[in-house]
Amino acid sequence: GQQVMQIPQYQHVQEGEDFTTYCNSSTTLSNIQWYKQRPGGHPVFLIQLVKSGEVKKQKRLTFQFGEAKKNSSLHITATQTTDVGTYFCAAPGELSFGAGTTVTVRA
Amino acid sequence: DTGVSQNPRHKITKRGQNVTFRCDPISEHNRLYWYRQTLGQGPEFLTYFQNEAQLEKSRLLSDRFSAERPKGSFSTLEIQRTEQGDSAMYLCATGGEGGQGSGKLFFGSGTQLSVL
Repeated sequence: GQQVMQIPQYQHVQEGEDFTTYCNSSTTLSNIQWYKQRPGGHPVFLIQLVKSGEVKKQKRLTFQFGEAKKNSSLHITATQTTDVGTYFCAAPGELSFGAGTTVTVRA
Repeated sequence: DTGVSQNPRHKITKRGQNVTFRCDPISEHNRLYWYRQTLGQGPEFLTYFQNEAQLEKSRLLSDRFSAERPKGSFSTLEIQRTEQGDSAMYLCATGGEGGQGSGKLFFGSGTQLSVL
């Protein structure tokens, strides 16, 4: 089974609004990665976080790794239609992907 | 285009038949992974190669599944005596220098298997 849990499973967002998706592990992770999969596509790497409490930004996306290295979050501001897709967190050391958060956007 | 090539893109087979999928990695990548993905789920790890060595295969779903990576270049995943439950997208991913848990992965477009 998957060792990292993601919530929510689905996120329906009004264009322009913000949202956050969360990734949780019962064990301490060496690092965590985030991927995005567009409908009909394959996962594409977004970012890797390694340090406790690390925060990285990519334009409207903010990624955070928890102090205990057991959880991570992805926050998207001012959602656009191009943000549609499924966002996965992955614990590469454990070869484990979460089930993903599927994002749909209402224009 | 990520540079990881998978063939075929689609495979339809009858239950009980054997199927083989191929993955050609980005040329300088020494790490190669196979995943299975079903609708609404994240990629499920199957097996991992570092160069030609298969370092992790305990999560292959059954003894009907096997993978090879001769000479550390392309890899094949074979499923023998296919069952309807094997229907899924089979993804290959590769990565550059580093061990199992380091560095980003580049995914291929996958092979969609349908077992009738």
